[in-house]
Amino acid sequence: DTAVSQTPKYLVTQMGNDKSIKCEQNLGHDTMYWYKQDSKKFLKIMFSYNNKELIINETVPNRFSPKSPDKAHLNLHINSLELGDSAVYFCASSLPGNTIYFGEGSWLTVV
Amino acid sequence: DQQVKQNSPSLSVQEGRISILNCDYTNSMFDYFLWYKKYPAEGPTFLISISSIKDKNEDGRFTVFLNKSAKHLSLHIVPSQPGDSAVYFCAATISDNNDMRFGAGTRLTVKP
Repeated sequence: DTAVSQTPKYLVTQMGNDKSIKCEQNLGHDTMYWYKQDSKKFLKIMFSYNNKELIINETVPNRFSPKSPDKAHLNLHINSLELGDSAVYFCASSLPGNTIYFGEGSWLTVV
Repeated sequence: DQQVKQNSPSLSVQEGRISILNCDYTNSMFDYFLWYKKYPAEGPTFLISISSIKDKNEDGRFTVFLNKSAKHLSLHIVPSQPGDSAVYFCAATISDNNDMRFGAGTRLTVKP
């Protein structure tokens, strides 16, 4: 069983489209995250949710909107995709301040 | 603002030798440090961690050393094996905080 699963794994889409990446964790963790790994391979935090509440919202364009229907799910919706949004997006979960467990990543390519 | 830095983008060592990966941080509030390992097309996986109350933590072939005064930590792998070839990310956090900062990663290649 995959502890943190995200779908789709690969996504190729055109500029201007709206897309979503789904994430689910079965670890019983209270905290979930979205990280972005950019072209320079930096892993940067985008959002953090604790028990469905937004805790961290880094400087991310408003086109990115996380949604947490329950504490086991944190989906990422992206509006009006731009070329610069191409990256690998990692979902993750943890207990607060503890080891983070990552999903396998979603490779987004905007063409 | 890169609070966690891995200044070596790559490292190549011979099988059986020691691999030493280095990491520096700037935020003195960090009190918990982790190393993650990442294979291509997979998410990072937790490898080993250390709390700021310790200066060394060992787990099999992997040892992490922490030098708080220098704001520096290192990961030692001995003996190195070809299967250790991966990208290693250093990470730092403040306990009970929901944020974790990562370095840019170091690609380790272990040659047979």
